[in-house]
Amino acid sequence: DTEVTQTPKHLVMGMTNKKSLKCEQHMGHRAMYWYKQKAKKPPELMFVYSYEKLSINESVPSRFSPECPNSSLLNLHLHALQPEDSALYLCASSLTGDGSDTQYFGPGTRLTVL
Amino acid sequence: GESVGLHLPTLSVQEGDNSIINCAYSNSASDYFIWYKQESGKGPQFIIDIRSNMDKRQGQRVTVLLNKTVKHLSLQIAATQPGDSAVYFCAENMWSSASKIIFGSGTRLSIRP
Repeated sequence: DTEVTQTPKHLVMGMTNKKSLKCEQHMGHRAMYWYKQKAKKPPELMFVYSYEKLSINESVPSRFSPECPNSSLLNLHLHALQPEDSALYLCASSLTGDGSDTQYFGPGTRLTVL
Repeated sequence: GESVGLHLPTLSVQEGDNSIINCAYSNSASDYFIWYKQESGKGPQFIIDIRSNMDKRQGQRVTVLLNKTVKHLSLQIAATQPGDSAVYFCAENMWSSASKIIFGSGTRLSIRP
């Protein structure tokens, strides 16, 4: 299994809603990532988990809250988002999280904030 | 700002011809480079990577060249096919202790029949 899966594929939420994005991999990878991608732009790193511990937070607003329940799962909890947070949210995983690791991406969740 | 950039935002190639996508990077400390392909509505797909101790690496129909002297990276796609239509991103990792990659701005490759 060389796949990273993400659910849901699409999500529409209001600014007062609370929702969660989910990511799963069964490749035995110990590092997992959240990226945000706006239209016609490259992915931008948000968070990195290595061995289930948050290792990098790229100064992301607190309305985004990551969680790594175990080495195969990664969640992104969303609360009080703004319309400008509408984007494609990508999850990725890699073997160990060191500098020469290859990251493998999921298909993303297309988020629209109304 | 981004340390990785691309020379051309779009590239149109005749089907069957070879494609060359270029990328410039600015950080001489970067030691790992990756090319990703992103099709419409999908996540980035790993194509090929290269370490800084190499100049060239070949995969199936793809070759990556690294010129550290001028900080230049290229992706060559042989016998371009319609399925190669996508946005191609180069990415670099300059941190030996963390997998924190920076993506370039991307090149859209379109194939003429």
